[in-house]
Amino acid sequence: GESVGLHLPTLSVQEGDNSIINCAYSNSASDYFIWYKQESGKGPQFIIDIRSNMDKRQGQRVTVLLNKTVKHLSLQIAATQPGDSAVYFCAENAPNAGGTSYGKLTFGQGTILTVHP
Amino acid sequence: DAGVTQSPTHLIKTRGQHVTLRCSPISGHKSVSWYQQVLGQGPQFIFQYYEKEERGRGNFPDRFSARQFPNYSSELNVNALLLGDSALYLCASSLEARANSPLHFGNGTRLTVT
Repeated sequence: GESVGLHLPTLSVQEGDNSIINCAYSNSASDYFIWYKQESGKGPQFIIDIRSNMDKRQGQRVTVLLNKTVKHLSLQIAATQPGDSAVYFCAENAPNAGGTSYGKLTFGQGTILTVHP
Repeated sequence: DAGVTQSPTHLIKTRGQHVTLRCSPISGHKSVSWYQQVLGQGPQFIFQYYEKEERGRGNFPDRFSARQFPNYSSELNVNALLLGDSALYLCASSLEARANSPLHFGNGTRLTVT
């Protein structure tokens, strides 16, 4: 079946280090991917997205890499700060059976990132 | 600018009852989606509405229904509540009902069914 999963459920880093969060997806038809950050008691917060015609996209302190050959997605956070501590989700969008993409996202389980001062 | 707002923030219901959850999208956003997030898991898609029409439906029973109003706000209704319906219900809005139109989430309604 279609699924989005994460290799590591937890990640602990020291403040100032770079963090890499990984995600595997199984649906080769997925054409759009998003990373979200979710803090306790809040809804998911959009971080960065990438389309399947790209393999890298950069934002402020974050970079998303997409490897379609092995169906792998990663989120890199530079100079990780305590405020980055949260659960990180990758999500994918794939066209439905009719070939249209109406924006349904399939989420992975999430990775807990803990940043130690 | 206000983000996606949801009400109520918390709700306790008894098995068999029904519940209505409300969502106001970001100003200018025409699409609203609903997701269910069980503790320890990622959100699961329930519905997407665009211009008051249902554009997508996830694998949820008919006890779940939704609608979108002319002002683009939305309601999610759940009938005959089960203990397993206890979850965080998230509303998200986007400019369009298509891929590449990022979803922006509210902080959710925490539903507890006893």
